[in-house]
Amino acid sequence: EADIYQTPRYLVIGTGKKITLECSQTMGHDKMYWYQQDPGMELHLIHYSYGVNSTEKGDLSSESTVSRIRTEHFPLTLESARPSHTSQYLCATSGTSNTEAFFGQGTRLTVV
Amino acid sequence: AQSVTQLDSQVPVFEEAPVELRCNYSSSVSVYLFWYVQYPNQGLQLLLKYLSGSTLVESINGFEAEFNKSQTSFHLRKPSVHISDTAEYFCAVTPAQRGKGGFKTIFGAGTRLFVKA
Repeated sequence: EADIYQTPRYLVIGTGKKITLECSQTMGHDKMYWYQQDPGMELHLIHYSYGVNSTEKGDLSSESTVSRIRTEHFPLTLESARPSHTSQYLCATSGTSNTEAFFGQGTRLTVV
Repeated sequence: AQSVTQLDSQVPVFEEAPVELRCNYSSSVSVYLFWYVQYPNQGLQLLLKYLSGSTLVESINGFEAEFNKSQTSFHLRKPSVHISDTAEYFCAVTPAQRGKGGFKTIFGAGTRLFVKA
């Protein structure tokens, strides 16, 4: 029973399209994160949020944007998808104690 | 800032053999240390963590890791692996207290463990 939901799981989309990757959580966690994962590479933090109306860019520069209007939702948007955006995107949360991160199953994005 | 280095990108091993996946970290502040496991087409799951206290921590499926502060290492070990242990393993650190940069968790590049029959 997943407490962090990412949709879609897989997405193939054409260059130039606008896309939004959804992430929802039922854990009531204040902190949420988006990581980008390429094969054989470390997870790169691209966005994070410590609460509603709080968003920050991560260590890896990304053309995507995020919003945090509600505690439960942390969507990621690409205004104009490009093949270089092809990757797996993982959403994660952590609670007040920050002693563990909980991950969704990921969205594998392919831009053709 | 923190960083994590996983010294082996791939580790092939025969079933029932012992295995060690190596992880070194650097940090100017106290950190929590984690090992996460990722099975194909899945997100990451926590395997074990070190927060404080005993430097040897264990998971429910036979893995253990030892925090070595002097060597800044947190190597993962299992005395006898199974085929089902085949997965990617990520070492991670996060600041124990919020400072500049907040509570960002930093991950290593991962080690792919491949258990052969």
